[in-house]
Amino acid sequence: DVVLTQTPLSLSVAPGQPASISCKSSESLLHSNGLAYLYWFLQKPGQPPQLLIHGVSGRESGVPDRFSGSGSGTDFTLRISRVEADDVGVYYCMQNSHLPLTFGGGTKVEIK
Amino acid sequence: QVQLQQSGPGLVKPSQTLSLTCAISGDSVSSNSAAWYWMRKSPSRGLEWLGRTYYRSKWFNDYAVSVKSRITINPDTSNNQFSLHLNSVTPEDTAVYYCARDGIFDIWGQGTMVTVSS
Repeated sequence: DVVLTQTPLSLSVAPGQPASISCKSSESLLHSNGLAYLYWFLQKPGQPPQLLIHGVSGRESGVPDRFSGSGSGTDFTLRISRVEADDVGVYYCMQNSHLPLTFGGGTKVEIK
Repeated sequence: QVQLQQSGPGLVKPSQTLSLTCAISGDSVSSNSAAWYWMRKSPSRGLEWLGRTYYRSKWFNDYAVSVKSRITINPDTSNNQFSLHLNSVTPEDTAVYYCARDGIFDIWGQGTMVTVSS
């Protein structure tokens, strides 16, 4: 199975400051069709995961442009350019390039 | 607008079968371009994929190795829904269970907290 390793485990960020979360894969997420199926989600208590980024860098409709995804192969990053209070929660990366679908362990983001 | 609505019991006794249903609105379980997933989240295992069902001229299922001997995912075309059945449950199966649609995984059920306890 593909193992996704997220760092850091937690992040405390002052409002307006940037934040960055890394997701490293145990093998390349480049599918045979040339695409990489790497996603980023934010999960808040009592809610299902909310899609932020699909296909490495595609921002979901309605997601602020403060959120951006990048990377290729085995190294991927989610960046928040200016953290706001509503960004608190646990962030997960997920891959669906290879079965079984797997998730990273999560990064908890809190506001200073 | 596609929505998934989960239903099922929140408490299951050890050794019994956990059964949940995910009702689909705005799409079809028989879609030739979608697949329908079950996931769960627990403190010990994090977010975990359990399996999926999809239709491509015939029905296909894939299951996680960790539950393969105990799981069945069934499509129900009459009611446009799909179900999860996990038998011989133990307290390790206590988790929040989610259904979801693939593509970009933008559609999820609301989640069902299932506790395995006598």
